[in-house]
Amino acid sequence: GQQVMQIPQYQHVQEGEDFTTYCNSSTTLSNIQWYKQRPGGHPVFLIQLVKSGEVKKQKRLTFQFGEAKKNSSLHITATQTTDVGTYFCAGRSSGTYKYIFGTGTRLKVLA
Amino acid sequence: NAGVTQTPKFQVLKTGQSMTLQCAQDMNHNSMYWYRQDPGMGLRLIYYSASEGTTDKGEVPNGYNVSRLNKREFSLRLESAAPSQTSVYFCASSEGVPGQVEAFFGQGTRLTVV
Repeated sequence: GQQVMQIPQYQHVQEGEDFTTYCNSSTTLSNIQWYKQRPGGHPVFLIQLVKSGEVKKQKRLTFQFGEAKKNSSLHITATQTTDVGTYFCAGRSSGTYKYIFGTGTRLKVLA
Repeated sequence: NAGVTQTPKFQVLKTGQSMTLQCAQDMNHNSMYWYRQDPGMGLRLIYYSASEGTTDKGEVPNGYNVSRLNKREFSLRLESAAPSQTSVYFCASSEGVPGQVEAFFGQGTRLTVV
């Protein structure tokens, strides 16, 4: 079945450093979504990418969808303590109604 | 604007007991989902419903049943709870085709089975 893996599982950074998490799917995705979950909270939608090679930016966050539509990345420039949380990607395989969440990357930012 | 509401927020069950987790959304969404979240495992799909009257299994359906009571409500039932079902359960909903648009999550139900 479809699998979506994220690396790294955990990342500790000093405030001001950059951070990147990678998402890899075993199948081609029709689109990919990114969510953020604060500690003790619920996932909150960040963005959706649909096109092959698409790049989108939200302030310090840059999201990219791979050319083959099987991988994606989230890059945060100059992390802040408010960036703490777990970042999940979620993808739907073409031709199915299921969409599967990745394993998540937990980010800790040290002040 | 409530969004997705889950009840209860916390629950402790004894092994073998049954219970139903309730979920309701007020956004008129067609699609609804149940996920469980365990440490290091991310969110795993238990069941989903693409529209009223339809349900389908996700990655980890064993030990669970669901009911799409109407367009607003999607409940998850544990018939005979086991310690392996200790987890945080999230209900979510989205408009249109699942995964094509933003999903909205409830606050979660923290379930402990002893």
